[in-house]
Amino acid sequence: DIQLTQSPSFLSASVGDRVTITCRASQGISSYLAWYQQKPGKAPKLLIYAASTLQSGVPSRFSGSGSGTEFTLTISSLQPEDFATYYCQQLNSYLFTFGPGTKVDIK
Amino acid sequence: EVQLVESGGVVVQPGGSLRLSCAASGFTFDDYAMHWVRQAPGKGLEWVSLISWDGGSTYYADSVKGRFTISRDNSKNSLYLQMNSLRAEDTALYYCAKGRDYIRRLDAFDIWGQGTMVTVSS
Repeated sequence: DIQLTQSPSFLSASVGDRVTITCRASQGISSYLAWYQQKPGKAPKLLIYAASTLQSGVPSRFSGSGSGTEFTLTISSLQPEDFATYYCQQLNSYLFTFGPGTKVDIK
Repeated sequence: EVQLVESGGVVVQPGGSLRLSCAASGFTFDDYAMHWVRQAPGKGLEWVSLISWDGGSTYYADSVKGRFTISRDNSKNSLYLQMNSLRAEDTALYYCAKGRDYIRRLDAFDIWGQGTMVTVSS
């Protein structure tokens, strides 16, 4: 089974900061990776699919990159509404594994 | 407006059964694969099950295989999850989610419901 790890698990940042979250897969998954944002008490929201394609309506400050086993989600300039937990998800197998999440908090 | 609304979550005893429902609106339901995803209190996301657009193919997480059954009624724009032999570790908020692209099974989840809470406790 494909396992995903995320780093860091938690990060504290300020408005305007550039933030990068890494997701690593236990085996190669090509570009079959998605990123989601979840705010407390809310359902997850799709940000990026196919590793780097921005979902319609998602601000351009979000970007994704990577392929194979290492992927990154970057927020170019953190906004107040971006404080949330971010999850990666592999779409290479019918187990749709999620990463453990990265909580982005206000510094 | 594209919308998914889950229902059916309750408190149930260990070993009991429950059926969750998800009502879809605002899109052509029978064009898309559908999923169930759960989230235990304070924990991360766990994919549970997938059903293809026509109901012909189903997939399950190892943790629920043999106990849960996913189904859909395209005439009613509805998705279901039959949960049997429930355990304490099944306690979670259960979301239904829509596959992003037409017919594709291996794709991201672009629309999520608000979730329905299942608590397994004596």
